[in-house]
Amino acid sequence: GQQVMQIPQYQHVQEGEDFTTYCNSSTTLSNIQWYKQRPGGHPVFLIQLVKSGEVKKQKRLTFQFGEAKKNSSLHITATQTTDVGTYFCSAGNNRKLIWGLGTSLAVNP
Amino acid sequence: DAGVTQSPTHLIKTRGQQVTLRCSPISGHKSVSWYQQVLGQGPQFIFQYYEKEERGRGNFPDRFSARQFPNYSSELNVNALLLGDSALYLCASSFEGEGYTFGSGTRLTVV
Repeated sequence: GQQVMQIPQYQHVQEGEDFTTYCNSSTTLSNIQWYKQRPGGHPVFLIQLVKSGEVKKQKRLTFQFGEAKKNSSLHITATQTTDVGTYFCSAGNNRKLIWGLGTSLAVNP
Repeated sequence: DAGVTQSPTHLIKTRGQQVTLRCSPISGHKSVSWYQQVLGQGPQFIFQYYEKEERGRGNFPDRFSARQFPNYSSELNVNALLLGDSALYLCASSFEGEGYTFGSGTRLTVV
């Protein structure tokens, strides 16, 4: 069945450093969604990518969808302590999303 | 507008018991999905309902069942609880083709 792999599993950065998490699939994806979950909280929708090669930005966050629609990345520029949490990618159609295991980000002030 | 609301927020049950979890979607959202999240892992898809009909089912045993009501609210039922059913149960609603909005979840502990 369809799977999505996320790397790295954990990332520890100094405040101000950049951070990138990658989401990879062996099959072509119809879309990718990214979510952020703070410790003790629930996933919060960040963005959806649909088109091949699509790039979207939200302030310090940049999301990319690969040309082959098999991978995606989330890049955070100049991390802040408020960026702490687990970032999940999920893929599939609207009937059944497959979730990666997430990348947990820790930021040292 | 109220977001996705789930009840109860916390629940402790004994092995073998049955539990019902409830979810009210955002007004106007006709799609409701249920997820199980074990600590340290990503959400695992259980069910999706749209317009009261089941549209998708994850790899969960028949002890798990759900339904959606005419007002689009939903219930998740789990029978014959096992210790391994202890988890955060998340409900999410969405417009067709858009991202999910999650509720705060129900933390189920089976002892």
